[in-house]
Amino acid sequence: DQQVKQNSPSLSVQEGRISILNCDYTNSMFDYFLWYKKYPAEGPTFLISISSIKDKNEDGRFTVFLNKSAKHLSLHIVPSQPGDSAVYFCAASGINGAGSYQLTFGKGTKLSVIP
Amino acid sequence: DTAVSQTPKYLVTQMGNDKSIKCEQNLGHDTMYWYKQDSKKFLKIMFSYNNKELIINETVPNRFSPKSPDKAHLNLHINSLELGDSAVYFCASSQDPGPRVIQYFGAGTRLSVL
Repeated sequence: DQQVKQNSPSLSVQEGRISILNCDYTNSMFDYFLWYKKYPAEGPTFLISISSIKDKNEDGRFTVFLNKSAKHLSLHIVPSQPGDSAVYFCAASGINGAGSYQLTFGKGTKLSVIP
Repeated sequence: DTAVSQTPKYLVTQMGNDKSIKCEQNLGHDTMYWYKQDSKKFLKIMFSYNNKELIINETVPNRFSPKSPDKAHLNLHINSLELGDSAVYFCASSQDPGPRVIQYFGAGTRLSVL
């Protein structure tokens, strides 16, 4: 039962163009969303987040959009750079059955930025 | 100076053995986590400790036992290793267990059970 879905396992984009990574979720109780970036042989590193009370959050070249009614969020990277090539994980924060908050991750999307 | 460090980075062992993975964070965080990333690439929470107290204990075989000697350390001990335990295990920490915290991850331990 995947509560956070990243339906595109991979994405290739030309350097300088926009990268759009998508994420869908099913649990309406999720109220905070994060994007993590992961290079090979390293752990995920936090990139950007958004609260459910907002629909957009921007940090430099990275913007996350949230559409609560569609249970969809997206990460835009403009302009894309070769160093952005990595696996991007979408994560959602929600309360579990025991009353603790935990992150639920998607499977990740591998972004390749072609020089 | 690594914020969240795990040892070892690689672990190759035989079925039936017992092994431990260590994790330390120097961020002064109260909360630590263990995740498992299996062959399907899902990152799934296994355990979480807050101030040395277990707060998340997902459906994990009881062969897996976390131990938190202090706030800065969370170790994972695995008994009677099975082939299906092969995965990458990530340790993480956050300032607190609240809803809007950022978790900081270690580099992972790749466990291969032969």
